[in-house]
Amino acid sequence: QIQLVQSGPELKKPGESVKISCKASGYTFTDYAMHWVKQVPGKGLKWMGWVNTYTGKPTYADDFKGRFVFSLEASASTANLQISNLKNEDTANVFCARGVNYGSGWFAYWGQGTLVTVSS
Amino acid sequence: DIQMTQSPASLSASLGETVSIECLTSEGISNDLAWYQQKSGKSPQLLIYAASRLQDGVPSRFSGSGSGTRYSLKISGMQPEDEADYFCQQSYKYPFTFGSGTKLEIK
Repeated sequence: QIQLVQSGPELKKPGESVKISCKASGYTFTDYAMHWVKQVPGKGLKWMGWVNTYTGKPTYADDFKGRFVFSLEASASTANLQISNLKNEDTANVFCARGVNYGSGWFAYWGQGTLVTVSS
Repeated sequence: DIQMTQSPASLSASLGETVSIECLTSEGISNDLAWYQQKSGKSPQLLIYAASRLQDGVPSRFSGSGSGTRYSLKISGMQPEDEADYFCQQSYKYPFTFGSGTKLEIK
C-alpha cells in the first residue's frame, strides 16, 4: 500500500538547521509530485510548495523562499526538506503529501508529520 | 493569493444530525476544491476533491457541492467518529490555500 514515512521529531535552537525526510513506498516515486505542508500546533494548514520528483525542480510558496530547500534522493524514493537559520516561528508540524494523481493538488496521501520545535 | 473563508469556526451536532460547513473563495476556482478531515494528533485525510467527488473509502454520508466561489461539505447523519477538524483547500492557483478550519464536536 502507498505510504509516506517521515523522520522523527526535532528539537533545535534558533539559528540551527534541520533536515526532514519523507520516504515513499508502494508506488513509483517519480510519477507523482511531492508537496510540503506546515501546521502550527492547534492551528491551520499552510502549503509550503512542491517538488517535481522527475526533474527535481522545486516550487516554493512566497513565505518559504530563502531558508527552505526541497531536495530528492530519488534512488531511495525520498524527498527532503531542509530549513536553515531556524526561528521560533518555524515551530510546527510539517507534513509531506502526495496528490491523487500526477499534477493534482488534492492530497490523498500524507506522511505522519514531523514536529519541529525551535527553542532556546 | 486566493483567500478561503470557512464557516463556522466551530460546530456542535447531535448523533444522526446533518451538518454543513461552508467555504467561500475570493475568486472563482472552477470546482478545484478539496475537503479534509483531521482528527486530533493525526494527518489530514482527503474526503472530497473536485468539489463533489468522494475519495475512495470515504463513507457516503460525506458529500460536497458548490461552484464558482461558494462550496460546502455536508455530513448526513453525524457519527461519533466524525468528531474532528475539517478544512477546505483550493488547488486552482498557486499558492494552494486552506480554509481556517471548522471544529466539529458531538453535542
